[in-house]
Amino acid sequence: DTAVSQTPKYLVTQMGNDKSIKCEQNLGHDTMYWYKQDSKKFLKIMFSYNNKELIINETVPNRFSPKSPDKAHLNLHINSLELGDSAVYFCASSLRQYGYTFGSGTRLTVV
Amino acid sequence: QKEVEQDPGPLSVPEGAIVSLNCTYSNSAFQYFMWYRQYSRKGPELLMYTYSSGNKEDGRFTAQVDKSSKYISLFIRDSQPSDSATYLCAMSATQGGSEKLVFGKGTKLTVNP
Repeated sequence: DTAVSQTPKYLVTQMGNDKSIKCEQNLGHDTMYWYKQDSKKFLKIMFSYNNKELIINETVPNRFSPKSPDKAHLNLHINSLELGDSAVYFCASSLRQYGYTFGSGTRLTVV
Repeated sequence: QKEVEQDPGPLSVPEGAIVSLNCTYSNSAFQYFMWYRQYSRKGPELLMYTYSSGNKEDGRFTAQVDKSSKYISLFIRDSQPSDSATYLCAMSATQGGSEKLVFGKGTKLTVNP
């Protein structure tokens, strides 16, 4: 069973479009995250949710909006996509401080 | 100064070599120290986890933390071609009631048969 699953794996879309990435974890973890990995492989946190409540919101454009319908899901909606949004987006979950489990990533390409 | 500094490499070694990967950090609030391994086009996977100064061993891997010097290391003994991946150090501190994990830039390792 996949512990943290993201869909879709690949997303190619035009500038200006709105898209969503879904994430689900079946580990019973209480905190979920979205990370962005740029072309230089640097992983940077975007958001953190704990029990459906937004905890961390780094300096991310308002075009990015996370939604957590329940503890096991954290979706990412992106409005008005720009070329610079092209990256790999990783969802992760954790239980307190015992390390993170990452999904396999969503490779977003904006053309 | 970035919170976490890691030499991106790339690092290329022959099979069987001992590999040393290092990170330095500036934030004294970091409490937990981790090493992740990321294969190409995959998500990072947790390799080692520690919260105190000293050494922690797991098979061929040894994680070392020196909080006084703000320096952590990962040693890989008898390296194998399957160890070829990008290794990311990560450190966490509590922010707003939640743990915030900060990554180094990753070191790309190639182990040649």
